[in-house]
Amino acid sequence: AQTVTQSQPEMSVQEAETVTLSCTYDTSESNYYLFWYKQPPSRQMILVIRQEAYKQQNATENRFSVNFQKAAKSFSLKISDSQLGDTAMYFCAFVYTGANSKLTFGKGITLSVRP
Amino acid sequence: DTAVSQTPKYLVTQMGNDKSIKCEQNLGHDTMYWYKQDSKKFLKIMFSYNNKELIINETVPNRFSPKSPDKAHLNLHINSLELGDSAVYFCASSQGRSVDTQYFGPGTRLTVL
Repeated sequence: AQTVTQSQPEMSVQEAETVTLSCTYDTSESNYYLFWYKQPPSRQMILVIRQEAYKQQNATENRFSVNFQKAAKSFSLKISDSQLGDTAMYFCAFVYTGANSKLTFGKGITLSVRP
Repeated sequence: DTAVSQTPKYLVTQMGNDKSIKCEQNLGHDTMYWYKQDSKKFLKIMFSYNNKELIINETVPNRFSPKSPDKAHLNLHINSLELGDSAVYFCASSQGRSVDTQYFGPGTRLTVL
């Protein structure tokens, strides 16, 4: 069974600074995908970034980038130049490439951006 | 245009009632999902349909019955509602399998009194 662990329940960052959210996962699979989703107070789940495990290059999307360490089974999200609109819950998620596999989420981390 | 829509957004009902939540996606995706987010914000998959065929059925009470009339719609019917069913229910869709990016609806907050 796959597990996703987000050990920090809450984090806070000053506007314009950089913050890193941690995520580790456990799997015996070699082919899989990892995601970070954002859930602002509006409740909408929004994809932030997606990483294919077979790609060594870390994914980036504007101010968001990941540090993917496959051997360590670590997938952290770095948010640069934090903005007030980044205040949200962030969920790390994992899915392997097998038939009928399902997306498994971590417990999430609440990020607050301070003005 | 809303890509994945759900109705209603809020649902308040009494224990024992039967209710339905509707979901529609206009993305042309083949796969749709239902997730439950509990009071601690933990998200867990309930069901998944691919081209109207049930492909994932997690350990969910059989009071919950999904129905997919076509690949753009996936409804969730809940019989004999219980207090523990109170949660936010999300519908999502993806082009193909679960490895494809899933796009979520706005969620339905169900409160059972």
